[in-house]
Amino acid sequence: DAGVIQSPRHEVTEMGQEVTLRCKPISGHDYLFWYRQTMMRGLELLIYFNNNVPIDDSGMPEDRFSAKMPNASFSTLKIQPSEPRDSAVYFCASSRAGAGGYNEQFFGPGTRLTVL
Amino acid sequence: AQSVTQLDSHVSVSEGTPVLLRCNYSSSYSPSLFWYVQHPNKGLQLLLKYTSAATLVKGINGFEAEFKKSETSFHLTKPSAHMSDAAEYFCVVSEEDGNKLVFGAGTILRVKS
Repeated sequence: DAGVIQSPRHEVTEMGQEVTLRCKPISGHDYLFWYRQTMMRGLELLIYFNNNVPIDDSGMPEDRFSAKMPNASFSTLKIQPSEPRDSAVYFCASSRAGAGGYNEQFFGPGTRLTVL
Repeated sequence: AQSVTQLDSHVSVSEGTPVLLRCNYSSSYSPSLFWYVQHPNKGLQLLLKYTSAATLVKGINGFEAEFKKSETSFHLTKPSAHMSDAAEYFCVVSEEDGNKLVFGAGTILRVKS
């Protein structure tokens, strides 16, 4: 398996532009997570989906952020309009439901976003 | 709410010496705890996990961690550090639903030759 795939790996944009980050989870996984990593705040969960349905978006910072999962193999995280404080590494992770409560999350390589 | 505190932001050891990365947790229920490792410009990889079975957990690459409920600790250890262990390590607790993860601030491990 190729693992979780994220694109692009690096994105540089100007303030006010729309940014779309993409994620392909591991085949057969039914949970998908979006995280943001910054020096100031560390790793934060933004939103997660189960069977393509958003379950918890309490970590989404504000209305400028939106996430979708139109099918089991694709998700997007969109920022519109982008601001310099959105500069961070964004990780996507996926997991498969199993017995015993915890389901190991597999992380993608991340997208490094720089907003100028 | 669950939380973890990593007691050291940076740890420096010499190659071949033991590694100790400290983590304390706070949880209102019996927690699931994990250590993840992040190498530079890479994603996160699960090192080991504790899910209420044996309190001494063995992970990949010779790492292990011991769950101590009385001390609310889950320290990560390795008998002998290798240069390839240089990375950032995260102690993590899961929320009760088993899906939401709460990450510690991270400990950067430096291994000197």
